[in-house]
Amino acid sequence: DIQMTQSPSTLAASVGDRITITCRASQSIGNWLAWYQLKPGKAPKLLIYKASSLQSGVPSRFSGSGSGTEFTLTISSLQPDDFATYYCQLYDTYSQFTFGPGTKVDLK
Amino acid sequence: EVQVSQSGGDLVQPGGSLRLSCVMSGFMPRRYAMSWVRQAPGKGLEWVASISDDGDSAFYADSVKGRFTISRDNSKNSMYVQMNRLRVEDTAVYYCVGRIDYWGQGTLVTVSS
Repeated sequence: DIQMTQSPSTLAASVGDRITITCRASQSIGNWLAWYQLKPGKAPKLLIYKASSLQSGVPSRFSGSGSGTEFTLTISSLQPDDFATYYCQLYDTYSQFTFGPGTKVDLK
Repeated sequence: EVQVSQSGGDLVQPGGSLRLSCVMSGFMPRRYAMSWVRQAPGKGLEWVASISDDGDSAFYADSVKGRFTISRDNSKNSMYVQMNRLRVEDTAVYYCVGRIDYWGQGTLVTVSS
């Protein structure tokens, strides 16, 4: 099975900061990579699909890049609503639906 | 507008059974794979199971294989998961997911004596 890792596990940042989260796959997954934002008590929110496509309604300060085994999620200017936990996810077929361990973005 | 409605969460004893249900509307769920994802208290997201658009193929995480059964009824735009031989470690909020972007509100399953 393909394993997903994320770094860092926790990130302390301030409003206005540019932040980057990295996700790595144990083998090439093409661009079958999604990013989600998760807040307590709420369902996960899809931000990015196919590694770099912005989901409808998601602010343009979110962007994704990468292919193969290494991917990044960037928030260009962190806003108060962005403090949350972020997960990457492999979804190449419905038999491969693996999540990374998550990255918590905290207020510095 | 897409709506995903879940039901069935409850408190159950270890070794017990529970069935979760999910109904989707506002898009064509029968054209897409659907999945169950869970989040245990204080833990990350964990994929549980997925089912193909026609219901002919099902896939499971190793942690639930042989105990959980995913199914769907396209005539009712519905998906289900039958959970048997439940363990304490199955305690989690369970989410129904259509494609990768349509998520239910989550339903809490608590396995405890």
